[in-house]
Amino acid sequence: GAGVSQSPRYKVAKRGQDVALRCDPISGHVSLFWYQQALGQGPEFLTYFQNEAQLDKSGLPSDRFFAERPEGSVSTLKIQRTQQEDSAVYLCASSLEAGNTIYFGEGSWLTVV
Amino acid sequence: EDQVTQSPEALRLQEGESSSLNCSYTVSGLRGLFWYRQDPGKGPEFLFTLYSAGEEKEKERLKATLTKKESFLHITAPKPEDSATYLCAVLPMDTGRRALTFGSGTRLQVQP
Repeated sequence: GAGVSQSPRYKVAKRGQDVALRCDPISGHVSLFWYQQALGQGPEFLTYFQNEAQLDKSGLPSDRFFAERPEGSVSTLKIQRTQQEDSAVYLCASSLEAGNTIYFGEGSWLTVV
Repeated sequence: EDQVTQSPEALRLQEGESSSLNCSYTVSGLRGLFWYRQDPGKGPEFLFTLYSAGEEKEKERLKATLTKKESFLHITAPKPEDSATYLCAVLPMDTGRRALTFGSGTRLQVQP
């Protein structure tokens, strides 16, 4: 597709439920990023992939958060046993290679009730 | 630790009233400074990348400038459609770190 595609756009989860958020980056983009954005704040880095390799996961807030990109294209961010503080917008972004301009998707809005 | 501070947090302008948004940063070697625009319910939309002090870039009513400590986004004769949150982010020179560090943004409202 022309841009970064994310699904679902909106997700309401009950506390304790597991969720999976999908990202389809721009075709040919090697680098893929996940960010978390709280209301009224700037995006905060979660994790980074170069092709299928997860090179940086320093921003993942807890071991309940897990990301994968098994074939170097589509990525999934999984959150286990969701908590209310996980409610946020999860943004996926991609770039042709590291250091180049990063393009964002529309985000997945997660609300944990 | 990289830090990005944007001011003001919110700005209300009348249509045609020019102004500037500020982005102050501290980073151990700047690889690039990025400006994005974010509309409500949307992802950030790329505007500019600046790489070195003294560099300027323009797009329509927007002009971004860069010094060694800060960047400005100048908005000339804004229109209501320029209303959005403007985000600034830095990418450090450290090749081991690929992620952008963002500020909290400036929410701009342009009234007709």
